Amino acid sequence: KQEVTQIPAALSVPEGENLVLNCSFTDSAIYNLQWFRQDPGKGLTSLLLIQSSQREQTSGRLNASLDKSSGRSTLYIAASQPGDSATYLCAVRLLTGGGNKLTFGTGTQLKVEL
Amino acid sequence: DGGITQSPKYLFRKEGQNVTLSCEQNLNHDAMYWYRQDPGQGLRLIYYSQIVNDFQKGDIAEGYSVSREKKESFPLTVTSAQKNPTAFYLCASSIGHSNQPQHFGDGTRLSIL
Repeated sequence: KQEVTQIPAALSVPEGENLVLNCSFTDSAIYNLQWFRQDPGKGLTSLLLIQSSQREQTSGRLNASLDKSSGRSTLYIAASQPGDSATYLCAVRLLTGGGNKLTFGTGTQLKVEL
Repeated sequence: DGGITQSPKYLFRKEGQNVTLSCEQNLNHDAMYWYRQDPGQGLRLIYYSQIVNDFQKGDIAEGYSVSREKKESFPLTVTSAQKNPTAFYLCASSIGHSNQPQHFGDGTRLSIL
């Protein structure tokens, strides 16, 4: 059974700092991996989707990498801002099984302080 | 604007009562999903539907039921058999292919009276 782990569970950094969020998964037979942002009491906003054949994806100040063989992904946030404060979730989609089903990690709660 | 609309935002259930959560999308997506989110846990899949009039159980389907009579609608009923229904419920949709991202609604928070 696929398990997804995110470390750390919570992180607090000063504004302007570059930071890395980690995601690890136990079954490397994944189709793709998706990073989401969740604000308190809200739904999920998709940030980046990395296909299994890709090594990284970039969107603005965000860069996500994928090392399928080691079961790891990282989300790099450059020049962090208070507006980046949220919970960040990663989710993997397995190759086997029906449908477009995602297995989620428990998230990293990020706080960027002034 | 295209998107996913969940209603109501907050819902209260009495003992022995069934309640239905609404999820509507105007993205013309084929696939729709229901997840449950509990504090300190990741999202867990309840049910999903890849096409109208067809749906499959996810990892935690017991105590829940769904229907998919229209492409744009995928309501979730929390039945009285679900003994611990207090949670944040999230609906999502996708084009259907495994290489496409899922898009989420803003959720419904269900509590017990």
